[in-house]
Amino acid sequence: QKEVEQNSGPLSVPEGAIASLNCTYSDRVSQSFFWYRQYSGKSPELIMSIYSNGDKEDGRFTAQLNKASQYVSLLIRDSQPSDSATYLCAVGFDNFNKFYFGSGTKLNVKP
Amino acid sequence: DADVTQTPRNRITKTGKRIMLECSQTKGHDRMYWYRQDPGLGLRLIYYSFDVKDINKGEISDGYSVSRQAQAKFSLSLESAIPNQTALYFCATSGGTGATYEQYFGPGTRLTVT
Repeated sequence: QKEVEQNSGPLSVPEGAIASLNCTYSDRVSQSFFWYRQYSGKSPELIMSIYSNGDKEDGRFTAQLNKASQYVSLLIRDSQPSDSATYLCAVGFDNFNKFYFGSGTKLNVKP
Repeated sequence: DADVTQTPRNRITKTGKRIMLECSQTKGHDRMYWYRQDPGLGLRLIYYSFDVKDINKGEISDGYSVSRQAQAKFSLSLESAIPNQTALYFCATSGGTGATYEQYFGPGTRLTVT
């Protein structure tokens, strides 16, 4: 049973559009949530962390957390071709002692 | 200089050989992690350590061992490598002063077992 689920994609959006990436998790007591960007052959790079219900904005990125529905999402506004990458969702369990990663959603931003 | 470094970056080895992957960090973090990444499977936790004297198994620890030589160094060993251990291996760190639980990854080691 997978702890963290993501649609593998690919998700294709035109340049300038909003990309919406979603993630669901199974453990109701999850406490911390993260979005990472990973370019092919490179290491994951932290984009956002969110710990409380609601929205958190950082530049073109907005993370949204809904603990009651057990999902977390990432919105990328004004998508650029350089945003083309795989986006990994990570969830912290067990009082921050363990982290589970989704398998990632591949995003293609077309010029 | 990179905050989290891994050596070697690429390694090809034969079945049955012992191999060590090394990770060093200058972030001052107390927590360190080893993950492997396989296509379509995402990142899976092998071992994690919260300090030099605290080492814990992750979800896929069989066939691996670790050593935390210092706060800044965490090594992963494959005692007898097998082909299905071919993967991309990442070290990560978290914690430190004003600790958050965000993890920061090293550049990765691409390991091929023939």
